Amino acid sequence: AQTVTQSQPEMSVQEAETVTLSCTYDTSESNYYLFWYKQPPSRQMILVIRQEAYKQQNATENRFSVNFQKAAKSFSLKISDSQLGDTAMYFCAFMGGQGAQKLVFGQGTRLTINP
Amino acid sequence: DAGVIQSPRHEVTEMGQEVTLRCKPISGHNSLFWYRQTMMRGLELLIYFNNNVPIDDSGMPEDRFSAKMPNASFSTLKIQPSEPRDSAVYFCASSLARRGTQYFGPGTRLTVL
Repeated sequence: AQTVTQSQPEMSVQEAETVTLSCTYDTSESNYYLFWYKQPPSRQMILVIRQEAYKQQNATENRFSVNFQKAAKSFSLKISDSQLGDTAMYFCAFMGGQGAQKLVFGQGTRLTINP
Repeated sequence: DAGVIQSPRHEVTEMGQEVTLRCKPISGHNSLFWYRQTMMRGLELLIYFNNNVPIDDSGMPEDRFSAKMPNASFSTLKIQPSEPRDSAVYFCASSLARRGTQYFGPGTRLTVL
């Protein structure tokens, strides 16, 4: 079974700084997808970024980018020029395997952006 | 466009009562997922449907839980009888394609006393 590990339960940075959240996963699959979701205090789960494993190019979405290291099974999220609105729980998630559509989530990292 | 709609947003009930959670997926999406979030277990998939057909219900905790999708625009998750350990946030999500991005509803916070 696939597992996702986020080793940083909590992180805190100052506004405008850059922060990197770590995620590692374990799978024997070659075709899969990786995601970062954000959960602010409103508890809504919001997609931040998606990466297809077959793509070597790292995905980016404005201030958010990933460092996808397939051999190392690592998928970190970098947030540049952090803003107060980035304060949230961040979840790394894996989807893959034959016909598998379910998301397997990590435990989450609570990120606080301080003014 | 409307996102995934869930009702109710909050539910407080007493042990032994029946609870029904409702979900309307994004129009045109053909996959629907039910997840549960707890402090102890995090986010875990309960069941998912493709084209209204249940595909994987291995995450359903026990026979007290049941889910239906009578049509493409509506799904229910029922707990009967409810127990305090069922207290959690229940999310519904939908996606357009089999490996498509899943979009989540706002969740239902269930408290069983």
